[in-house]
Amino acid sequence: GAGVSQSPSNKVTEKGKDVELRCDPISGHTALYWYRQSLGQGLEFLIYFQGNSAPDKSGLPSDRFSAERTGGSVSTLTIQRTQQEDSAVYLCASSLFPYEQYFGPGTRLTVT
Amino acid sequence: LAKTTQPISMDSYEGQEVNITCSHNNIATNDYITWYQQFPSQGPRFIIQGYKTKVTNEVASLFIPADRKSSTLSLPRVSLSDTAVYYCLVGDITYFGNEKLTFGTGTRLTIIP
Repeated sequence: GAGVSQSPSNKVTEKGKDVELRCDPISGHTALYWYRQSLGQGLEFLIYFQGNSAPDKSGLPSDRFSAERTGGSVSTLTIQRTQQEDSAVYLCASSLFPYEQYFGPGTRLTVT
Repeated sequence: LAKTTQPISMDSYEGQEVNITCSHNNIATNDYITWYQQFPSQGPRFIIQGYKTKVTNEVASLFIPADRKSSTLSLPRVSLSDTAVYYCLVGDITYFGNEKLTFGTGTRLTIIP
């Protein structure tokens, strides 16, 4: 079956613009996670969904970041008024609790 | 979440067995130990998970001593394709909603021909 997919694979945007990043999890996976990875760094947890609800938003770095999940499937991470420090690879993962997480290939975001 | 410490980098020759040790002195009773592998420009991939003693799968073995304050990932007969960053994670995956992963900077393993 298909794995986790993310789009776009690369996104270059100007400072101050809004961006939307999409994640399609593995079909049937109830849990969905967003992480951020800066160059040469480990992963930073952003937000977690169980179904359509987000019980843990503790990792979102500021109120410019938001995420939603609809139909227990696709999720969108939105960054408003992007800043240069938002440049990173944004990774999405899905899982069947409590098993291992399956990661997508990521979206490389560059804010110029 | 328990803090983990692992070497920043390791080098090994092809065909050798590689052991990467992770320290987690403040591991809690319900914490599990999980290892992920990450290749450049890809998301991490689950390798192995354990609670105590030894776990083996088709890819690796995980050794956990009785005090559980450390763990060792063992990769048998490595090849060039094993060059990657390896992350050790410790957390309570039995607690619903607590299974978010906290990654450190990992161990960058380089396999030399």
